[in-house]
Amino acid sequence: GENVEQHPSTLSVQEGDSAVIKCTYSDSASNYFPWYKQELGKRPQLIIDIRSNVGEKKDQRIAVTLNKTAKHFSLHITETQPEDSAVYFCAAQGDYKLSFGAGTTVTVRA
Amino acid sequence: NAGVTQTPKFQVLKTGQSMTLQCAQDMNHNSMYWYRQDPGMGLRLIYYSASEGTTDKGEVPNGYNVSRLNKREFSLRLESAAPSQTSVYFCASSERQIQAFFGQGTRLTVV
Repeated sequence: GENVEQHPSTLSVQEGDSAVIKCTYSDSASNYFPWYKQELGKRPQLIIDIRSNVGEKKDQRIAVTLNKTAKHFSLHITETQPEDSAVYFCAAQGDYKLSFGAGTTVTVRA
Repeated sequence: NAGVTQTPKFQVLKTGQSMTLQCAQDMNHNSMYWYRQDPGMGLRLIYYSASEGTTDKGEVPNGYNVSRLNKREFSLRLESAAPSQTSVYFCASSERQIQAFFGQGTRLTVV
């Protein structure tokens, strides 16, 4: 089955700097890669997603890149703000099974 | 429009007791999922249902059973609870390769 690995597990950045989270997946049949943000005590919510026919996607300060050959994808957050502090999860999906990475706890220092 | 609703929000069980976690969605989604969340281990898939009438094992199915009662409802049953099943449980629903929506979670403690 699908195995999604996520790094780093924790990330501390200065406000205004960039944050990068990297994920790898094992199942070559996976072709949908969403990212979720989970604030403390809340449910995970989608922040951005990318499909295998696209190499990069941007939404304001957030961007995702996908390298299908290498089976890895990354989340980039620019100009980080205190409200970006949360746990971020990458995920991979082929047909229906949606598998998540272990999460990255991002702390933005003022 | 409630989205995905889970009950209960909190539960304390004694070892060996059984219980069923309920999940319902009102978005007419075909696929539904049950995850458990433990510190440092992310969201681990217990079972999923690609469509009404089908269920499949995820990464950590042992000790759990599920029922896709109809298109709206997907329940998770613990037949004999163990302390290792202490966790936060999330139900989610989606269409294929579209955003998944999560319930508010159930915090389960087994003593």
